[in-house]
Amino acid sequence: KAGVTQTPRYLIKTRGQQVTLSCSPISGHRSVSWYQQTPGQGLQFLFEYFSETQRNKGNFPGRFSGRQFSNSRSEMNVSTLELGDSALYLCASSLEGIRSGELFFGEGSRLTVL
Amino acid sequence: GESVGLHLPTLSVQEGDNSIINCAYSNSASDYFIWYKQESGKGPQFIIDIRSNMDKRQGQRVTVLLNKTVKHLSLQIAATQPGDSAVYFCAENMRGAGSARQLTFGSGTQLTVLP
Repeated sequence: KAGVTQTPRYLIKTRGQQVTLSCSPISGHRSVSWYQQTPGQGLQFLFEYFSETQRNKGNFPGRFSGRQFSNSRSEMNVSTLELGDSALYLCASSLEGIRSGELFFGEGSRLTVL
Repeated sequence: GESVGLHLPTLSVQEGDNSIINCAYSNSASDYFIWYKQESGKGPQFIIDIRSNMDKRQGQRVTVLLNKTVKHLSLQIAATQPGDSAVYFCAENMRGAGSARQLTFGSGTQLTVLP
């Protein structure tokens, strides 16, 4: 079965712009969680959605938001981009959510903010 | 600082030897721990997990040990192969406010398998 698909894979934005990233989970998975990965901070949890509801949220400013659609596809949005938002953004899908730990990650969307 | 950290950022082992990757955690409320492997250019991949009511769990060529007394977690890889070269992350999973779960990752260890 198809894995987790993230689009776009690479993108370049400038400070002040906004960006929307998309994640299509594995068929049948209702949980999608998002992570930011940087060399300095490592992997950090952004938020988790389950059946269209945000179930949990990490310690990120309100500029970072997300949503999940009825088909479980999810998007995350970052507004008013800052240089420090440059990172690899990963999404993961699972049947039960992060409570199970067995997350299936996509290959990520690499965002560069200039 | 991060509540989950790794003792060594890099580890090199000879092919065929056993590898041990260590992880320290600081939150005694964490009740579930997971190891992930991340190869270059890919997303992390689940390897093995362990709950706090266990101290050892074995998978295929991998064993996770949990020492709650000293808040230490380790991943042992038997007969390390070139395909095991990757960054390994430990993660702790704890119950936050309400029924929400929080997942905190360690900084990662780069494992390099030498021929």
